[in-house]
Amino acid sequence: QSVLTQPPSASGTPGQRVTISCSGSSSNIGSNSVFWYQQLPGTAPKVLIYKNNQRPSGVPDRFSGSKSGTSASLAISGLGSEDEADYYCATWDDNLSGYVFGAGTKVTVL
Amino acid sequence: EVQLVESGGGLVEPGGSLRLSCAASDFTFSKAWMNWVRQAPGKGLEWVGRVKSKSDGGATDYAAPVKGRSTISRDDSTTTLFLQVDSLRIEDTAVYYCAMDLYYGGAFDIWGQGTLVTVSS
Repeated sequence: QSVLTQPPSASGTPGQRVTISCSGSSSNIGSNSVFWYQQLPGTAPKVLIYKNNQRPSGVPDRFSGSKSGTSASLAISGLGSEDEADYYCATWDDNLSGYVFGAGTKVTVL
Repeated sequence: EVQLVESGGGLVEPGGSLRLSCAASDFTFSKAWMNWVRQAPGKGLEWVGRVKSKSDGGATDYAAPVKGRSTISRDDSTTTLFLQVDSLRIEDTAVYYCAMDLYYGGAFDIWGQGTLVTVSS
């Protein structure tokens, strides 16, 4: 059971906006930066968001991240078939002295 | 091109040991904090542990499920990262990735392709 809670699934039609939540605590999200990763089937994860809301070079601006208190969220706007993937939030946990991932959210484009 | 390439996966019996390698290229390996992340079949990502650069003390940190039976080490002369796991359990079956943050403030932005470890009798 992960210390970061994500919904197991999310879906939307092409062009819609989808939001994925990530809930933690004061020892993880509340005191450290949040990262978001996208994992396409059969591939290694790829970072989408770093430091809560920053996009690496090459990541479309359709992806945005936010953080408030002990929760974070990832929004995908203009949903496309290429966005069907698993999405993970992650951060450092001060109590565990370790990096923690959420259990992942599978995004389906209807 | 910055690259991480894992090797050493395979079939191991419960109670056995494994030693994985991760060959790094095209960046200053000695300054990097290196991580291992694993993913059981059909499951999510799980951080295994990390080793800091020697200039930052070289300390290691481990996740609870592997702590006490795992050792992460590095050879800066050959730019290689290692993971040894002893007393293997069925639940250690996973794809093991090495990963690091090179460009983006703590995010794992460089990943290897992964190597599959299957623990089974």
